Amino acid sequence: NAGVTQTPKFRILKIGQSMTLQCTQDMNHNYMYWYRQDPGMGLKLIYYSVGAGITDKGEVPNGYNVSRSTTEDFPLRLELAAPSQTSVYFCASSYSRQPHSGNTIYFGEGSWLTVV
Amino acid sequence: GIQVEQSPPDLILQEGANSTLRCNFSDSVNNLQWFHQNPWGQLINLFYIPSGTKQNGRLSATTVATERYSLLYISSSQTTDSGVYFCAVLAAGGSEKLVFGKGTKLTVNP
Repeated sequence: NAGVTQTPKFRILKIGQSMTLQCTQDMNHNYMYWYRQDPGMGLKLIYYSVGAGITDKGEVPNGYNVSRSTTEDFPLRLELAAPSQTSVYFCASSYSRQPHSGNTIYFGEGSWLTVV
Repeated sequence: GIQVEQSPPDLILQEGANSTLRCNFSDSVNNLQWFHQNPWGQLINLFYIPSGTKQNGRLSATTVATERYSLLYISSSQTTDSGVYFCAVLAAGGSEKLVFGKGTKLTVNP
């Protein structure tokens, strides 16, 4: 099983450039999330989706956009990259928020993004 | 929104020692998970434990939901246990946002 796959793993962007971080999961999960992790900090939620066609803002959505056209894919787009967006980005998925044993959240391996 | 506080922020141990990490949360939760982030940045699920006690090898966790805290126990620590341990919660009452604490950075020295 591939689980949650993110690409690219590393990227350097110039200020003002745009890019898309790709995320796909093969577990047929309803819920998908994008988090960012700044050095020495926990993860902050950027956007999340509870199913295809539905997205919602998290704690730090400014400067980002998402779409969820399929269950499997949840790309994160950065328009007009800024140095403040230098971070490690994690995509994650889970079956649903309903609590039951084994309903855990699974993370991709992270994407290291530097904006210079 | 719900607040998640982890303590201690940093912990240094000698190999073989035991430790307890704490996670306090400010509201009722439907989901609580412990993660280990290894030195390469990978986030690994340790426990899904909104209440009760679970054990997996040298690791165990207890959540007392009524008192809004969870504890992660590491026994006979090994150098491979080094990394950052995160607690994350999903607030009860309709939230779909898993909120993370700032983590406990554990260093196990040989």
